[in-house]
Amino acid sequence: SQKIEQNSEALNIQEGKTATLTCNYTNYSPAYLQWYRQDPGRGPVFLLLIRENEKEKRKERLKVTFDTTLKQSLFHITASQPADSATYLCALVSGYSTLTFGKGTMLLVSP
Amino acid sequence: DGGITQSPKYLFRKEGQNVTLSCEQNLNHDAMYWYRQDPGQGLRLIYYSQIVNDFQKGDIAEGYSVSREKKESFPLTVTSAQKNPTAFYLCASSTRQGEGFGYTFGSGTRLTVV
Repeated sequence: SQKIEQNSEALNIQEGKTATLTCNYTNYSPAYLQWYRQDPGRGPVFLLLIRENEKEKRKERLKVTFDTTLKQSLFHITASQPADSATYLCALVSGYSTLTFGKGTMLLVSP
Repeated sequence: DGGITQSPKYLFRKEGQNVTLSCEQNLNHDAMYWYRQDPGQGLRLIYYSQIVNDFQKGDIAEGYSVSREKKESFPLTVTSAQKNPTAFYLCASSTRQGEGFGYTFGSGTRLTVV
């Protein structure tokens, strides 16, 4: 069956460090992968999309990599700030041509 | 400003009642979606619609119904047949389905059965 796995344990880092979150998937051959941010009690917010023919994508302090051989995407936030604290979700297109989301990883950035 | 509006933010339902969650978008998006989120679970797809007057079941459609009479609106009815309706419901839209466009989400409706 198709699975999207994100680390269920919260990631705690200090302000200024780089946060790295992992998304692994099985039984998908995605044309693209997306990352979202979700704050408590709010809807997810779209951050980045990376296509299968792109190895890396950047947007300001965010960087995403996509390795279709390893079936893995890494999401990096450089120079992290307490305001970056949130849950980050990865998403892949499913058989319905709709997005299937991972359960997300909570990031906590301490001052 | 363009966006998606979900209402109400909080909703309480008695056992055996149907309730309707509203979702309106002014982004001129063709595709709209309903997801359910439970603590510790990922978002699960309930229904989706690519165009007006057409919609499809997602992974957990039982006990729910939708309509898409206007491009801007995609209301979700939680019927009494839904055994465990207490959850956070999220509506989303995208330019088109399946072409790699990011989704825009509403701020959600938290439904509680009392």
